[in-house]
Amino acid sequence: NAGVMQNPRHLVRRRGQEARLRCSPMKGHSHVYWYRQLPEEGLKFMVYLQKENIIDESGMPKERFSAEFPKEGPSILRIQQVVRGDSAAYFCASHRDSNQPQHFGDGTRLSIL
Amino acid sequence: DQQVKQNSPSLSVQEGRISILNCDYTNSMFDYFLWYKKYPAEGPTFLISISSIKDKNEDGRFTVFLNKSAKHLSLHIVPSQPGDSAVYFCAASDDSWGKLQFGAGTQVVVTP
Repeated sequence: NAGVMQNPRHLVRRRGQEARLRCSPMKGHSHVYWYRQLPEEGLKFMVYLQKENIIDESGMPKERFSAEFPKEGPSILRIQQVVRGDSAAYFCASHRDSNQPQHFGDGTRLSIL
Repeated sequence: DQQVKQNSPSLSVQEGRISILNCDYTNSMFDYFLWYKKYPAEGPTFLISISSIKDKNEDGRFTVFLNKSAKHLSLHIVPSQPGDSAVYFCAASDDSWGKLQFGAGTQVVVTP
């Protein structure tokens, strides 16, 4: 019974490149959340998606960041033209419905050179 | 705008004793509160939760207390064990178990 799977675990990019982070939710889970954790801080909500729909993107920066959760395949968090300030741990979480706690993946650690 | 605050960045406790972690919040619309535990290089793991209609929830060694009038909750771990050494995050939601707002975490170290 696999948990939430995120890949890659570590990603290094140079300034100006694109970063693509993937998240496969637990089996049967159709609600996906992305959070970002900066050093010495708590996790900050970015976006909430259900299959093929963005439900709440109030935590997403207005530019360069986008997310999707297609009908088939994993959820993708995409960061275009990365900058040093994008260096963080990005966590994905999922749950079956809103009456269950969210289960988290082990995160992707993004480093920008 | 930090709506969930954990004012103690660290806590050291002796094995076998009680660990008490505190959390304050400012948004009166929060209706669910959760505690997560996190080891280095891993994702947060759900520990225990409480809804706003209750003031206490217990699960084994873990008990969460909620004081709505004070906008304060606490997590008690009794007895503390070396494997409890981790960062503990308080989280809250105003949308059932949806979008979570996290505190900054408390690093717990359980010493022999």
